[in-house]
Amino acid sequence: DVVMTQSPLSLPVTLGQPASISCRSSQSLVHSDGNTYLDWFQQRPGQSPRRLIYKVSNRVSGVPDRFSGSGSGTDFTMSISRVEAEDVGIYFCMQGTHWPPVTFGQGTKLEIK
Amino acid sequence: QVQLVESGGGVVQPGRSLTLSCVASGFTFSNYGMQWVRQAPGKGLEGVAVIWHDGGKKYYADSVKGRFTISRDDSENTLYLQMNTLRAEDTAVYYCVRDDGAVVPVFDYWGQGTVVTVSA
Repeated sequence: DVVMTQSPLSLPVTLGQPASISCRSSQSLVHSDGNTYLDWFQQRPGQSPRRLIYKVSNRVSGVPDRFSGSGSGTDFTMSISRVEAEDVGIYFCMQGTHWPPVTFGQGTKLEIK
Repeated sequence: QVQLVESGGGVVQPGRSLTLSCVASGFTFSNYGMQWVRQAPGKGLEGVAVIWHDGGKKYYADSVKGRFTISRDDSENTLYLQMNTLRAEDTAVYYCVRDDGAVVPVFDYWGQGTVVTVSA
C-alpha cells in the first residue's frame, strides 16, 4: 500500500497569516491515464471530512480561493493564503491513484495561535 | 440534497458482532459505489470496505478481511457493514461515503458517522 506522510502534524497559525501542509507519498501518484489523484480533505471539529481539493490543485466548488494545492510525483502541498478562524480543524491528504486501497496521511491539526 | 445517515454503532465486547447501516437519500443510490471509512480515536482515516455500484465487486482492507462484510440493498437505498469477531482496534467512528469516481474513488459526500467501541 502507498504510505502518505504529512508534515507538520500540528500547525499553530496566527489569524491572517499563511499556512502550508506537506504530503509525501511512498511512490509516484501519476496514474496510467496521466492524472495525479491526490486529494485534500478538511475535518472541522465535530464534523465529517469534506473534500477541498482534487487532482492536486483543483478546488471543489464552494471552497474559498484562499485554499490552493500544488505538487507533482511524490511531493504535494496544500496552502492557505490567509488563515481564518473557520479553517481550524484537521487536514488530510489522500491518494487514489494506487487503489484499492485509498490511503490517507496522518492528518495535520491546524489551530489558531 | 444528498444525505447519508449511519446507525448501528454502540459498545460491544471483543469477539462479538455488530451491523452498521447507512440510509442514503437525495440521489440514485444504485448508480454509485459506496465505501466505509473509519477513524480511530486520535488517529487518521482508513478505508475499510468498498462495494461497486452494482454490488458485483467488493474490496476489504487487510485489517478487516475475513471478519467484515459490506453489502447493499438498492431497493431500500441502504448500505451495510456486518462486523464479526470484533477487536479493540476496531474501535472507531465509521463513516459511510459516497464514491462518485469512474476511474478512482471520489469521496464527495460523507455521513455524520457512527461510533463503535469494542471493550470488555
